[in-house]
Amino acid sequence: EAGVVQSPRYKIIEKKQPVAFWCNPISGHNTLYWYRQNLGQGPELLIRYENEEAVDDSQLPKDRFSAERLKGVDSTLKIQPAELGDSAVYLCASSLGPTDHEQYFGPGTRLTVT
Amino acid sequence: GQSLEQPSEVTAVEGAIVQINCTYQTSGFYGLSWYQQHDGGAPTFLSYNALDGLEETGRFSSFLSRSDSYGYLLLQELQMKDSASYFCAVRGGYSGAGSYQLTFGKGTKLSVIP
Repeated sequence: EAGVVQSPRYKIIEKKQPVAFWCNPISGHNTLYWYRQNLGQGPELLIRYENEEAVDDSQLPKDRFSAERLKGVDSTLKIQPAELGDSAVYLCASSLGPTDHEQYFGPGTRLTVT
Repeated sequence: GQSLEQPSEVTAVEGAIVQINCTYQTSGFYGLSWYQQHDGGAPTFLSYNALDGLEETGRFSSFLSRSDSYGYLLLQELQMKDSASYFCAVRGGYSGAGSYQLTFGKGTKLSVIP
């Protein structure tokens, strides 16, 4: 069974530039999560989707971050414009449903903003 | 809100037993999870405790005491490949659509030495 796929694995951009991350969850998983992980910290939830609906985006900085999950499968997270403090690993995870306590994580995208 | 405390680093000898503690504060509690993350890798699910007591999965066990807001992960017969970061994560606080927020601790970096 294929795991959660993310791309790109690494991205280096200059501040004020836009950037986008892509995630393909495990087939059949209705719940999709985007997390941000800073160095030496645990993952922090940015947004959670149930199918194509964003049901928890309270931690998403909406002035510069946006996300979408068209057709309830793949998802894209965008930052525009990026700031130096956005440098982190962006993790995508999925689970069968919202009450499923096991989340499956992708390898993440390491973003460096210079 | 939720907060978790766990030691930042632990060192143990190959073949030994190590215990990683986690204390938490949460508005509403539904369960405690443990994840393992190797450097540069994805977090992977290890265990989940919703009720008091010990859960055993092979060399790994996890314990929960809800009255003490405390849990631990026990790793037995340590192997070099167990060197990784271990995160406790508490499920608590309603986040909509029948689910609850998952908040991660900052992680404990375990180093297994020969």
